[in-house]
Amino acid sequence: QQQVKQSPQSLIVQKGGISIINCAYENTAFDYFPWYQQFPGKGPALLIAIRPDVSEKKEGRFTISFNKSAKQFSLHIMDSQPGDSATYFCAASMWETSGSRLTFGEGTQLTVNP
Amino acid sequence: EAQVTQNPRYLITVTGKKLTVTCSQNMNHEYMSWYRQDPGLGLRQIYYSMNVEVTDKGDVPEGYKVSRKEKRNFPLILESPSPNQTSLYFCASGGYYGYTFGSGTRLTVV
Repeated sequence: QQQVKQSPQSLIVQKGGISIINCAYENTAFDYFPWYQQFPGKGPALLIAIRPDVSEKKEGRFTISFNKSAKQFSLHIMDSQPGDSATYFCAASMWETSGSRLTFGEGTQLTVNP
Repeated sequence: EAQVTQNPRYLITVTGKKLTVTCSQNMNHEYMSWYRQDPGLGLRQIYYSMNVEVTDKGDVPEGYKVSRKEKRNFPLILESPSPNQTSLYFCASGGYYGYTFGSGTRLTVV
């Protein structure tokens, strides 16, 4: 059972455009929502994260929008650059009795054309 | 440099031949985890560990074993690998606010 669903699976954007990746979750116990960026041949790296008590978080060209009532969140990449070409994973985390666990979405392969 | 080190990076093996993928972290993290990455399926958790001698199953534990005898090390063991375990494997350490991932181990079972 996939608790975090991510779309689209792939995305092609022109340089300077806006890239938008969407995620939806089912479990309302999730209380931390990070995004990871993965370049070919590398492990995923934490990009930006948000807690459900805020609706938006911005770090440079990257913005997370969060809609708690709809159980959805999205990553916006403004002024997309070829160097942003990577696979992006949304994730959700919550505390459990045995600690915290991250549940990942399926991933989005972003290609930014020059 | 804070890092998670996995070895080997690439491995081709035959069905049924036991293998171990090592993972070591130098950040004194209590939490460590193994994931496998397959196209269209994202990152799926295999096993995780909250501390020495404390391990638990993730979402896809079948066919895998782990051990946590030292805080820094968390090896992944495939007792009898099968072709459906061909995948890209990642070890991670950290906690609630973020994980540090290793560079991955690409395993092919023929």
